[in-house]
Amino acid sequence: AQSVTQLGSHVSVSEGALVLLRCNYSSSVPPYLFWYVQYPNQGLQLLLKYTSAATLVKGINGFEAEFKKSETSFHLTKPSAHMSDAAEYFCAVSRVGTASKLTFGTGTRLQVTL
Amino acid sequence: GAGVSQSPSNKVTEKGKDVELRCDPISGHTALYWYRQRLGQGLEFLIYFQGNSAPDKSGLPSDRFSAERTGESVSTLTIQRTQQEDSAVYLCASSGRNSPLHFGNGTRLTVT
Repeated sequence: AQSVTQLGSHVSVSEGALVLLRCNYSSSVPPYLFWYVQYPNQGLQLLLKYTSAATLVKGINGFEAEFKKSETSFHLTKPSAHMSDAAEYFCAVSRVGTASKLTFGTGTRLQVTL
Repeated sequence: GAGVSQSPSNKVTEKGKDVELRCDPISGHTALYWYRQRLGQGLEFLIYFQGNSAPDKSGLPSDRFSAERTGESVSTLTIQRTQQEDSAVYLCASSGRNSPLHFGNGTRLTVT
């Protein structure tokens, strides 16, 4: 079975500050890992994905995430937060070879303040 | 091109009534998923269709929930005898071969 744990249901940062959203995974087989963003009243959009190539993955809107097998982590970062980054962020995991069937974390709501 | 389309966007129904939620996937996408998102919670997998294979229904919470898909097109999720705990946003997603999921904007279901 696979699962992800997102630490912190709410994170608040100042505009211009570093964004760090934490995700730890559990998987008995090599995983694919994803970060999705959900803006209010919208569906989910893919931010980035790890599919066993480079461990540092760059996504849209300046976000990136690093796969660390030793720590079973896939934390999402952005050097400088912008007001438009305020949204809900979901980490997700799937089995290698079944990239579409995802198990999601409970989400982290990012608030960006002036 | 058009994305995943879900209708209605909002549905208010009385406890005990049946509801049907519709999903139009992206053309050519063979895989279609339904997820449920309760307030303040993550996404809960409900059901998965892949081409002509038997659907994976392992996430359906009870026999009041069912879903159909005609070929590789439209899917409907039916909830019979709705209960208040069914209130949630129901998200549909589709994907093609080796592509990530594309989500619709969801149907917000409120059971009163």
